Formats: sequence, structure tokens, C-alpha cells
Amino acid sequence: AQSVTQLDSQVPVFEEAPVELRCNYSSSVSVYLFWYVQYPNQGLQLLLKYLSGSTLVKGINGFEAEFNKSQTSFHLRKPSVHISDTAEYFCAVRAYFGNEKLTFGTGTRLTIIP
Amino acid sequence: GAVVSQHPSWVICKSGTSVKIECRSLDFQATTMFWYRQFPKQSLMLMATSNEGSKATYEQGVEKDKFLINHASLTLSTLTVTSAHPEDSSFYICSARLSLAETDTQYFGPGTRLTVL
Repeated sequence: AQSVTQLDSQVPVFEEAPVELRCNYSSSVSVYLFWYVQYPNQGLQLLLKYLSGSTLVKGINGFEAEFNKSQTSFHLRKPSVHISDTAEYFCAVRAYFGNEKLTFGTGTRLTIIP
Repeated sequence: GAVVSQHPSWVICKSGTSVKIECRSLDFQATTMFWYRQFPKQSLMLMATSNEGSKATYEQGVEKDKFLINHASLTLSTLTVTSAHPEDSSFYICSARLSLAETDTQYFGPGTRLTVL
């Protein structure tokens, strides 16, 4: 089984400042890693994913994440945030084989302060 | 990109009635679809995994007779909340799995807000 920990439930950041949203996972098997964003009253939108290859993954809206296998982390970063980035961010993992389910973290609420 | 739609986007019904929610993958075929429930300010809770042409697999604690799932085609899955009660009020989100040689990703629908009076 897999588990995902997002330690920060809320992160306030000033506009144009950098941000890092933390995600750590636990798994006995190799996993795929994902970050999703959810705007108010909407479904989830895929920001980026790590399947294999380069550990630095670039996604939409200027976000990027780095897979660190030794630290079992997949932190999400953006060098300069905008008001429109205010949303809930979910980290998720899925095992390479067998279990098809995504395991989600509890989410991080990113609030951009003007 | 891969798009998943849900209909309706919101629904209000009386207690005791049944409500059907549709989930469609618009530009790809999905052999596997998932249904989630989300309570306010919480993460997504997986309710069931739906495979085309076979019975859905429900998560522990989810009543299969109350939440009927049908995956009749490679682009359509439906969730029917039978004899709905106020405690069933929630945000229901579906997702469809796109599985190709170079990618394996779930894409999510916009969600359906169910309010049971």
C-alpha cells in the first residue's frame, strides 16, 4: 500500500514570491507521482506527473516538481506566484503495477496575498 | 488533451429519490473509471473502481446497493445514488484512466454537487 503526506495544510504566499508545496510518500514498490490542482467548486486538473526519466518535471502554469527517490519526496515549486494560483493542491501516487488506485494526500491550500 | 465531462454539474433532490450522474471521456477510451466523493475542505475519497463490461469494485464501507455504478461503454460510466438522504449530499467526482504505452494518467471530471433536501 501507498501513503502520501502533505504536511502543510495551508500556505499563504505574497504575490510574485516563490512557493514550495511539500509532498512525501511511502511505498514498498515503485510509483508514479502526480500533482493535481483544484479550483473552488471544480474537479481536479493535472498539473504535472513523474512516470520515469528526468527527475525534474515541468508542468502547466509555470509549476515544476522534483522527484527525490532517496528522500521519497515530490515537492512542487513555482518561482513567482500569481493571484490565479490560489487553489487546493493535491499530491498523489500510484503503484507501477497491480493496484490502479491513486492515493491522495490531504491537500494544501495555497493562498496568494496581493 | 484528455477531457472528462460530468453531468449534471449540480443537482438538488428530495430525500428518498434517486439521482444519476454521468461521466464521459470525450476524446479517449477509458477501460477504467473511478468515482470519488469529496467533503468540504477534505481530500478525495475513492468510492469505487469501474471497469467497462464488468462489475464495479467498491471500497470498504461504500454501500454498493446504494451507489450503483454502471460502465456500459468505453466512454461512459454512471453513478446512481439510490434513495438519497441528506447525508449523501456531497461533491462527487469521476475520473477516467488514459493508459498508453508512454503514459498512464487519470483525468478528472469537473464534479457534481449533490444536495439532498
